[in-house]
Amino acid sequence: GAVVSQHPSWVICKSGTSVKIECRSLDFQATTMFWYRQFPKQSLMLMATSNEGSKATYEQGVEKDKFLINHASLTLSTLTVTSAHPEDSSFYICSARKVGTSGSAGTGELFFGEGSRLTVL
Amino acid sequence: AQRVTQPEKLLSVFKGAPVELKCNYSYSGSPELFWYVQYSRQRLQLLLRHISRESIKGFTADLNKGETSFHLKKPFAQEEDSAMYYCALKYGNKLVFGAGTILRVKS
Repeated sequence: GAVVSQHPSWVICKSGTSVKIECRSLDFQATTMFWYRQFPKQSLMLMATSNEGSKATYEQGVEKDKFLINHASLTLSTLTVTSAHPEDSSFYICSARKVGTSGSAGTGELFFGEGSRLTVL
Repeated sequence: AQRVTQPEKLLSVFKGAPVELKCNYSYSGSPELFWYVQYSRQRLQLLLRHISRESIKGFTADLNKGETSFHLKKPFAQEEDSAMYYCALKYGNKLVFGAGTILRVKS
């Protein structure tokens, strides 16, 4: 099956530092990956769409200079939380779209990573 | 605007009882809807999608465009069905999620 892996699964950092979270599709190529943020007992909020080889598309209200996304290869996207503050503490989840059997992007199933819990002290 | 509403935060039923998890959507285009499930300490995974018209683990969901609903149903709940369930709407290349409903099946 298709597996998406996130690393680290859990990170604690000091306020003001930057934290990088990786999202990898282990056994398939993903031209598109998505980053979500989930607050306790709340839904997943889409932060941005990460496209391989091009700039990420951010949702309204998400600071692109705060949450840097890089999608350098077909199997890896990274989210860097810059100058993290306690309010950035959250559960970050990535998902990757597997290209559909027809070969067209956007039709494939979405697979989720296990999530990364960030705690900023 | 695209929106998915799951009115119940928690649904608690006894084993063997019928289950219905409600989902309503708001979308001007032709909707493509999904149900995702997250079991305890596990990642989010696809349960079913309306275009497949399938039954997975005894669950079914029918798209009702007139009522803009996509309720998830199972005739007889099992303890292993206890999980968080999210209804999701695909628009363009994106997926928007409802707030989720925790299903607790009691023995």
